[in-house]
Amino acid sequence: AQKVTQAQTEISVVEKEDVTLDCVYETRDTTYYLFWYKQPPSGELVFLIRRNSFDEQNEISGRYSWNFQKSTSSFNFTITASQVVDSAVYFCALPLRGGSEKLVFGKGTKLTVNP
Amino acid sequence: AAGVIQSPRHLIKEKRETATLKCYPIPRHDTVYWYQQGPGQDPQFLISFYEKMQSDKGSIPDRFSAQQFSDYHSELNMSSLELGDSALYFCASSSRGTYNEQFFGPGTRLTVL
Repeated sequence: AQKVTQAQTEISVVEKEDVTLDCVYETRDTTYYLFWYKQPPSGELVFLIRRNSFDEQNEISGRYSWNFQKSTSSFNFTITASQVVDSAVYFCALPLRGGSEKLVFGKGTKLTVNP
Repeated sequence: AAGVIQSPRHLIKEKRETATLKCYPIPRHDTVYWYQQGPGQDPQFLISFYEKMQSDKGSIPDRFSAQQFSDYHSELNMSSLELGDSALYFCASSSRGTYNEQFFGPGTRLTVL
């Protein structure tokens, strides 16, 4: 069955520190997508990235980078030089097939960036 | 760019009342998903529609029903509300062919008193 594990419940860092959020997944699919979403205190879910299992290249977008390791079933997210505005809950997600590709979310990691 | 619209953004109801949440997907998106997120929880899938037909069902209580209309907007109807229904309800939309790039609306925060 599809499963997403985010072992870090809460992380607290000081501004400008780098921080890595871990995501480990389980899937029976040979091809799949992985997602990261950000949920700031205001509550909305903000799409960050979608990753195809075919592509194991690391991706960088500004201060954000993602490390996809198929061999260890991990899709970790690193924020470089964190800022207070990065404070949010971050969810890793995996589609669960069967009728529709509904998303299965991890429990989320609450990141607090202190000034 | 147009986003998913949800209304109302906030809703307060009493126990045993009914509530209707509305979702307007991104134009040309044909699939709508509903998720429920309890306090401190991750979003849980409730139900989805593709081309106005129910395509999948998750942990949606029998007291809830939903449908997608001809203009692709969707409504989630909740009856006999319970305290435990207090949550953030998200609607997401996607287009078949873009493989599940789901875009979420801002959510409706339902409080049941």
